[in-house]
Amino acid sequence: KAGVTQTPRYLIKTRGQQVTLSCSPISGHRSVSWYQQTPGQGLQFLFEYFSETQRNKGNFPGRFSGRQFSNSRSEMNVSTLELGDSALYLCASSDPPHNEQFFGPGTRLTVL
Amino acid sequence: EDQVTQSPEALRLQEGESSSLNCSYTVSGLRGLFWYRQDPGKGPEFLFTLYSAGEEKEKERLKATLTKKESFLHITAPKPEDSATYLCAVQANNNDMRFGAGTRLTVKP
Repeated sequence: KAGVTQTPRYLIKTRGQQVTLSCSPISGHRSVSWYQQTPGQGLQFLFEYFSETQRNKGNFPGRFSGRQFSNSRSEMNVSTLELGDSALYLCASSDPPHNEQFFGPGTRLTVL
Repeated sequence: EDQVTQSPEALRLQEGESSSLNCSYTVSGLRGLFWYRQDPGKGPEFLFTLYSAGEEKEKERLKATLTKKESFLHITAPKPEDSATYLCAVQANNNDMRFGAGTRLTVKP
């Protein structure tokens, strides 16, 4: 089976812009979770989608949003980018009731 | 509040020198504890899931154990290719997933 794929792999934006990141889960996996990883804060949970519904949400401002499509592919959007949004954004898929998550390679976002 | 604390932050071993990494947690109802390995510039790679105290899982030179308050990742006779950051994550009954800050392991030949 192909692994989790994320596009793009690298992105450079300027403050105030918005960005959309894409994630394709492992075939058959219905749950997709998004994380932000920074050197100072580590891996922080953003949100989880299951069957096109947001099932869980972390403690991030409303500028961070996401959605899931009927084929389980997911996108996350960050509006009004800030310098502090520079991070590695990771997507992980799982197949409930199995809870182990399988991560993609991440999208490295740099905000200038 | 759920918390996950990993120690040490960094660990340097000689090839063949066995050691253990610690993951202490507090959670309101444990659904599962997960260990991952992360190489620089890559996403975390799944290693183990543990569900209940007393459970153990093994894979090559790695063995994970779980008690009611902590988990250990034992590395036996490590090799340089075991160098990576090892992450512990705890999932609560409400599905919240919380990661520790990780232990950065370096194995010198």
